[in-house]
Amino acid sequence: QSALTQPASVSGSPGQSITISCTGTSSDVGGYNYVSWYQQHPGKAPKLMIYGVSNRPSGVSDRFSGSKSGNTASLTISGLQAEDEADYFCSSYASGNTYVFGTGTKVTVL
Amino acid sequence: EVQLSESGGGLVQPGGSLRLSCVASGFTFNRYAMSWVRQAPGKGLEWVSGISGSGGNTYYVDSVKGRFTISRDNSNNTLFLQMNSLTAEDTAVYYCAKNTMIVVKGNWFDPWGQGTLVTVSS
Repeated sequence: QSALTQPASVSGSPGQSITISCTGTSSDVGGYNYVSWYQQHPGKAPKLMIYGVSNRPSGVSDRFSGSKSGNTASLTISGLQAEDEADYFCSSYASGNTYVFGTGTKVTVL
Repeated sequence: EVQLSESGGGLVQPGGSLRLSCVASGFTFNRYAMSWVRQAPGKGLEWVSGISGSGGNTYYVDSVKGRFTISRDNSNNTLFLQMNSLTAEDTAVYYCAKNTMIVVKGNWFDPWGQGTLVTVSS
């Protein structure tokens, strides 16, 4: 039950695209299509942004997209905006009916 | 609108116990699994425990097995987390979150409550 690995920080200028990686193992990310991504602003509860690897909940901007290759999932934010500045966490179902989260990535809009 | 509201957090001494509650509204409670997720100060998220819609199946992260017990009262739309033998490492904001299926497997978490802070310190 080790945490998934994410870069500590990613930054970009307004309008640019950034990608956050989330690396696990064949027992979690690589083994199931149950990867989700959460956005968390300071002092707030996490918000679901992507589910099932690449699906967006209703109300989430289409600037957010997700993908997966092997044991690594990715979140891409296109057309970066100031409001996107937040912490982002990936999550995956893992064997044994448990879940594991990523280490978290702080996104900074320059 | 789906709403989740946690309560029961506070300051407790090492070795002590605390019971968290999460009252749910806006959806048919017994049709969804529920989870507890915690976040230590300045740290990342950690899934703690999950329970099926019926309450018949429960799951835990290894670090809390034998110390924490998740349960639910479907008649009163309430989720609980009984925490015993608390240590400083259990200090965190505890969030309850609605799963997206009746079983714990293969879910994501949406929405989340606002969280309740548990501080374990002497």
